[in-house]
Amino acid sequence: GAVVSQHPSWVICKSGTSVKIECRSLDFQATTMFWYRQFPKQSLMLMATSNEGSKATYEQGVEKDKFLINHASLTLSTLTVTSAHPEDSSFYICSARDQERAYNEQFFGPGTRLTVL
Amino acid sequence: AQTVTQSQPEMSVQEAETVTLSCTYDTSENNYYLFWYKQPPSRQMILVIRQEAYKQQNATENRFSVNFQKAAKSFSLKISDSQLGDTAMYFCAFVDRGSTLGRLYFGRGTQLTVWP
Repeated sequence: GAVVSQHPSWVICKSGTSVKIECRSLDFQATTMFWYRQFPKQSLMLMATSNEGSKATYEQGVEKDKFLINHASLTLSTLTVTSAHPEDSSFYICSARDQERAYNEQFFGPGTRLTVL
Repeated sequence: AQTVTQSQPEMSVQEAETVTLSCTYDTSENNYYLFWYKQPPSRQMILVIRQEAYKQQNATENRFSVNFQKAAKSFSLKISDSQLGDTAMYFCAFVDRGSTLGRLYFGRGTQLTVWP
């Protein structure tokens, strides 16, 4: 149980285009999902916290107009990188919190590698 | 604010040997959870072990065990009988038990290489 999927696993796009990444909790409901960005050999950097039915909470320094987050249902959150540029190239990871479990445990998706040309 | 510090960017160990990864944290909270996550080359985050702050007994999961020292705010991971598949980035993480959202705070990670 507690599986989180991400789609796509990798994407290459041209500069200026928008890219949408989906994060789904497959076997549990997640009122809270998290979006992280990770550079090579570095730690996970929290970008935003997504709550079902409400606006996402962005970390300081993260442009909310560039990284649009929508948490429309208890099993789906999406991250849209708008007008992507090469500096947005990175590995994006989502996680979902199963509030039925103890430990405030988060379950992680497999990640999406974004390359902007 | 919560901070997690991993002071060893890289470590290596020979197969079948034992290795300990260090982690310290800083918090004013008294009730929290601590985790060790593993991120292999596939980059999938995998939970290795968890510890509840109010439990004095150190958590153990097969070859993985922790040394939790609450007063010293230390949470080290010991890997016994290291295997080649243990090669990965290891992250120490903290979450406040009373947190509404359950935000995780991560350390910078330790790259562990197990060699034959």
